[in-house]
Amino acid sequence: QKEVEQNSGPLSVPEGAIASLNCTYSDRGSQSFFWYRQYSGKSPELIMSIYSNGDKEDGRFTAQLNKASQYVSLLIRDSQPSDSATYLCAVLGGTSYDKVIFGPGTSLSVIP
Amino acid sequence: EPEVTQTPSHQVTQMGQEVILRCVPISNHLYFYWYRQILGQKVEFLVSFYNNEISEKSEIFDDQFSVERPDGSNFTLKIRSTKLEDSAMYFCASSGRGRNPLWSTEAFFGQGTRLTVV
Repeated sequence: QKEVEQNSGPLSVPEGAIASLNCTYSDRGSQSFFWYRQYSGKSPELIMSIYSNGDKEDGRFTAQLNKASQYVSLLIRDSQPSDSATYLCAVLGGTSYDKVIFGPGTSLSVIP
Repeated sequence: EPEVTQTPSHQVTQMGQEVILRCVPISNHLYFYWYRQILGQKVEFLVSFYNNEISEKSEIFDDQFSVERPDGSNFTLKIRSTKLEDSAMYFCASSGRGRNPLWSTEAFFGQGTRLTVV
Protein backbone atom coordinates (compact mmCIF):
# COMPACT_ATOMS: atom_id res chain seq x y z
CA GLN A 1 0.00 0.00 0.00
CA LYS A 2 1.35 3.39 -0.98
CA GLU A 3 2.02 5.69 1.96
CA VAL A 4 0.31 8.80 0.59
CA GLU A 5 -2.17 8.70 -2.27
CA GLN A 6 -3.75 11.46 -4.32
CA ASN A 7 -5.77 11.67 -7.49
CA SER A 8 -3.26 12.61 -10.15
CA GLY A 9 -5.73 14.74 -12.07
CA PRO A 10 -5.58 16.91 -13.97
CA LEU A 11 -8.33 18.75 -12.15
CA SER A 12 -9.81 21.65 -14.10
CA VAL A 13 -12.02 24.29 -12.50
CA PRO A 14 -13.29 27.63 -13.82
CA GLU A 15 -11.95 30.83 -12.32
CA GLY A 16 -13.85 31.75 -9.15
CA ALA A 17 -14.93 28.18 -8.40
CA ILE A 18 -13.93 25.98 -5.47
CA ALA A 19 -11.18 23.44 -6.12
CA SER A 20 -11.23 20.34 -3.94
CA LEU A 21 -8.11 18.22 -3.54
CA ASN A 22 -8.05 14.93 -1.67
CA CYS A 23 -5.43 12.74 -0.06
CA THR A 24 -5.33 9.51 1.92
CA TYR A 25 -2.48 8.11 3.97
CA SER A 26 -1.69 4.68 5.32
CA ASP A 27 0.09 5.25 8.66
CA ARG A 28 -2.41 5.69 11.50
CA GLY A 29 0.36 7.00 13.74
CA SER A 30 0.99 10.08 11.61
CA GLN A 31 0.21 13.32 13.41
CA SER A 32 1.42 16.06 11.06
CA PHE A 33 -0.01 16.78 7.64
CA PHE A 34 0.91 19.34 5.01
CA TRP A 35 -0.14 20.74 1.68
CA TYR A 36 2.51 22.06 -0.67
CA ARG A 37 2.14 23.80 -4.00
CA GLN A 38 4.66 23.18 -6.76
CA TYR A 39 4.87 25.17 -9.95
CA SER A 40 6.54 23.49 -12.90
CA GLY A 41 10.32 23.47 -12.47
CA LYS A 42 10.14 24.98 -8.99
CA SER A 43 10.48 23.68 -5.46
CA PRO A 44 7.57 22.71 -3.18
CA GLU A 45 6.10 25.68 -1.33
CA LEU A 46 4.31 25.08 1.98
CA ILE A 47 0.70 26.27 1.93
CA MET A 48 -0.87 24.73 5.00
CA SER A 49 -0.11 22.45 7.91
CA ILE A 50 -2.75 20.70 9.99
CA TYR A 51 -2.38 18.58 13.09
CA SER A 52 -5.88 18.20 14.59
CA ASN A 53 -9.11 16.76 13.27
CA GLY A 54 -11.40 19.32 11.68
CA ASP A 55 -10.90 22.35 9.51
CA LYS A 56 -8.13 24.93 9.38
CA GLU A 57 -8.61 28.06 7.31
CA ASP A 58 -5.99 30.44 5.94
CA GLY A 59 -7.28 33.00 3.49
CA ARG A 60 -8.73 31.21 0.48
CA PHE A 61 -7.38 27.85 1.63
CA THR A 62 -9.06 25.39 4.00
CA ALA A 63 -7.40 22.16 5.06
CA GLN A 64 -9.52 19.37 6.50
CA LEU A 65 -8.28 16.40 8.48
CA ASN A 66 -10.06 13.21 9.50
CA LYS A 67 -7.64 10.88 11.25
CA ALA A 68 -10.22 8.12 11.70
CA SER A 69 -10.65 7.95 7.93
CA GLN A 70 -6.96 8.73 7.28
CA TYR A 71 -8.06 11.50 4.97
CA VAL A 72 -6.79 15.01 4.33
CA SER A 73 -8.25 17.53 1.92
CA LEU A 74 -7.58 21.03 0.66
CA LEU A 75 -10.23 23.43 -0.55
CA ILE A 76 -9.28 26.47 -2.58
CA ARG A 77 -12.04 29.06 -2.73
CA ASP A 78 -12.35 31.69 -5.46
CA SER A 79 -9.77 29.84 -7.57
CA GLN A 80 -7.47 32.04 -9.64
CA PRO A 81 -5.42 31.19 -12.74
CA SER A 82 -2.32 31.73 -10.58
CA ASP A 83 -3.44 28.75 -8.47
CA SER A 84 -2.72 26.48 -11.44
CA ALA A 85 0.01 24.18 -10.15
CA THR A 86 0.59 20.71 -8.74
CA TYR A 87 -0.59 20.30 -5.16
CA LEU A 88 1.35 17.88 -3.01
CA CYS A 89 -0.09 16.24 0.06
CA ALA A 90 2.58 15.32 2.60
CA VAL A 91 2.62 13.43 5.86
CA LEU A 92 5.24 13.24 8.59
CA GLY A 93 6.02 9.55 8.78
CA GLY A 94 8.72 6.92 8.75
CA THR A 95 10.03 4.68 11.48
CA SER A 96 10.73 7.59 13.84
CA TYR A 97 8.36 10.04 12.17
CA ASP A 98 11.44 11.84 10.95
CA LYS A 99 10.59 12.25 7.29
CA VAL A 100 8.06 14.17 5.26
CA ILE A 101 6.49 11.73 2.81
CA PHE A 102 4.94 13.17 -0.33
CA GLY A 103 2.06 11.97 -2.41
CA PRO A 104 2.34 12.00 -6.20
CA GLY A 105 0.52 15.34 -6.44
CA THR A 106 -2.67 16.55 -8.12
CA SER A 107 -2.35 18.86 -11.10
CA LEU A 108 -4.82 21.76 -10.90
CA SER A 109 -5.71 23.95 -13.83
CA VAL A 110 -7.86 27.04 -13.25
CA ILE A 111 -9.50 28.14 -16.48
CA PRO A 112 -10.03 31.92 -16.93
CA GLU B 1 12.04 36.12 5.55
CA PRO B 2 14.49 33.30 6.27
CA GLU B 3 14.95 30.81 3.47
CA VAL B 4 16.86 27.69 2.52
CA THR B 5 19.49 28.38 -0.13
CA GLN B 6 21.06 25.83 -2.44
CA THR B 7 24.08 26.00 -4.71
CA PRO B 8 24.63 25.53 -7.54
CA SER B 9 21.25 25.96 -9.24
CA HIS B 10 22.38 23.71 -12.09
CA GLN B 11 25.21 21.18 -12.20
CA VAL B 12 26.30 19.21 -15.22
CA THR B 13 28.68 16.33 -14.61
CA GLN B 14 30.08 13.40 -16.50
CA MET B 15 29.04 9.90 -15.58
CA GLY B 16 31.35 8.46 -12.94
CA GLN B 17 32.29 11.81 -11.45
CA GLU B 18 31.58 12.92 -7.90
CA VAL B 19 29.37 15.91 -7.15
CA ILE B 20 28.68 17.87 -4.00
CA LEU B 21 25.42 19.73 -3.64
CA ARG B 22 25.36 22.45 -1.04
CA CYS B 23 22.62 23.84 1.15
CA VAL B 24 22.35 26.50 3.82
CA PRO B 25 19.33 25.66 5.99
CA ILE B 26 17.31 28.25 7.84
CA SER B 27 19.23 29.50 10.84
CA ASN B 28 18.19 27.82 14.13
CA HIS B 29 16.49 24.95 12.34
CA LEU B 30 17.51 21.56 13.64
CA TYR B 31 16.24 19.02 11.09
CA PHE B 32 17.67 18.85 7.59
CA TYR B 33 16.52 16.84 4.61
CA TRP B 34 17.50 15.95 1.08
CA TYR B 35 14.87 15.01 -1.49
CA ARG B 36 15.07 14.37 -5.19
CA GLN B 37 12.56 14.65 -8.00
CA ILE B 38 13.14 12.97 -11.32
CA LEU B 39 11.46 14.89 -14.14
CA GLY B 40 7.73 14.19 -14.16
CA GLN B 41 7.85 12.05 -11.03
CA LYS B 42 7.06 12.52 -7.36
CA VAL B 43 9.23 14.15 -4.72
CA GLU B 44 11.23 11.33 -3.12
CA PHE B 45 12.74 11.35 0.35
CA LEU B 46 16.46 10.60 0.51
CA VAL B 47 17.65 11.34 4.03
CA SER B 48 16.94 13.25 7.22
CA PHE B 49 19.69 14.58 9.48
CA TYR B 50 19.45 15.65 13.09
CA ASN B 51 22.00 16.31 15.80
CA ASN B 52 24.90 15.67 13.43
CA GLU B 53 23.78 12.24 12.39
CA ILE B 54 21.46 10.58 9.92
CA SER B 55 18.02 10.15 11.45
CA GLU B 56 16.40 8.20 8.67
CA LYS B 57 17.27 7.28 5.09
CA SER B 58 15.47 5.73 2.15
CA GLU B 59 16.40 2.73 0.07
CA ILE B 60 17.63 5.15 -2.59
CA PHE B 61 20.24 6.52 -0.17
CA ASP B 62 22.83 3.78 -0.60
CA ASP B 63 26.62 3.85 -0.29
CA GLN B 64 26.80 6.14 -3.31
CA PHE B 65 25.38 8.97 -1.22
CA SER B 66 26.61 10.73 1.90
CA VAL B 67 25.65 13.83 3.84
CA GLU B 68 27.69 16.12 6.00
CA ARG B 69 27.33 19.25 8.05
CA PRO B 70 30.91 20.50 7.76
CA ASP B 71 30.33 23.67 9.76
CA GLY B 72 27.55 25.47 11.59
CA SER B 73 25.72 26.60 8.48
CA ASN B 74 26.23 24.28 5.50
CA PHE B 75 24.62 20.92 4.80
CA THR B 76 25.96 18.94 1.86
CA LEU B 77 24.96 15.94 -0.23
CA LYS B 78 27.78 14.06 -1.93
CA ILE B 79 27.04 11.70 -4.79
CA ARG B 80 29.93 9.46 -5.74
CA SER B 81 30.39 7.89 -9.15
CA THR B 82 27.32 9.51 -10.67
CA LYS B 83 25.07 7.56 -13.01
CA LEU B 84 22.75 8.74 -15.75
CA GLU B 85 19.77 7.88 -13.57
CA ASP B 86 20.96 10.30 -10.89
CA SER B 87 19.83 13.15 -13.14
CA ALA B 88 17.11 14.93 -11.17
CA MET B 89 16.23 18.00 -9.14
CA TYR B 90 17.68 17.75 -5.66
CA PHE B 91 15.94 19.69 -2.93
CA CYS B 92 17.25 20.54 0.49
CA ALA B 93 14.77 21.30 3.27
CA SER B 94 14.91 22.22 6.92
CA SER B 95 12.47 22.35 9.80
CA GLY B 96 12.51 23.81 13.26
CA ARG B 97 11.44 20.47 14.68
CA GLY B 98 13.48 19.00 17.45
CA ARG B 99 12.72 16.18 19.80
CA ASN B 100 10.15 18.42 21.46
CA PRO B 101 6.95 17.55 19.57
CA LEU B 102 5.56 21.01 20.18
CA TRP B 103 8.16 22.53 17.88
CA SER B 104 7.11 23.09 14.32
CA THR B 105 7.37 20.11 12.00
CA GLU B 106 6.91 22.26 8.91
CA ALA B 107 9.66 21.72 6.36
CA PHE B 108 10.78 24.56 4.09
CA PHE B 109 12.45 23.84 0.80
CA GLY B 110 15.28 25.46 -1.10
CA GLN B 111 14.97 26.29 -4.79
CA GLY B 112 16.73 23.08 -5.79
CA THR B 113 19.79 22.00 -7.76
CA ARG B 114 19.18 20.51 -11.16
CA LEU B 115 21.75 17.75 -11.64
CA THR B 116 22.37 16.55 -15.16
CA VAL B 117 24.63 13.53 -15.65
CA VAL B 118 25.92 13.11 -19.19
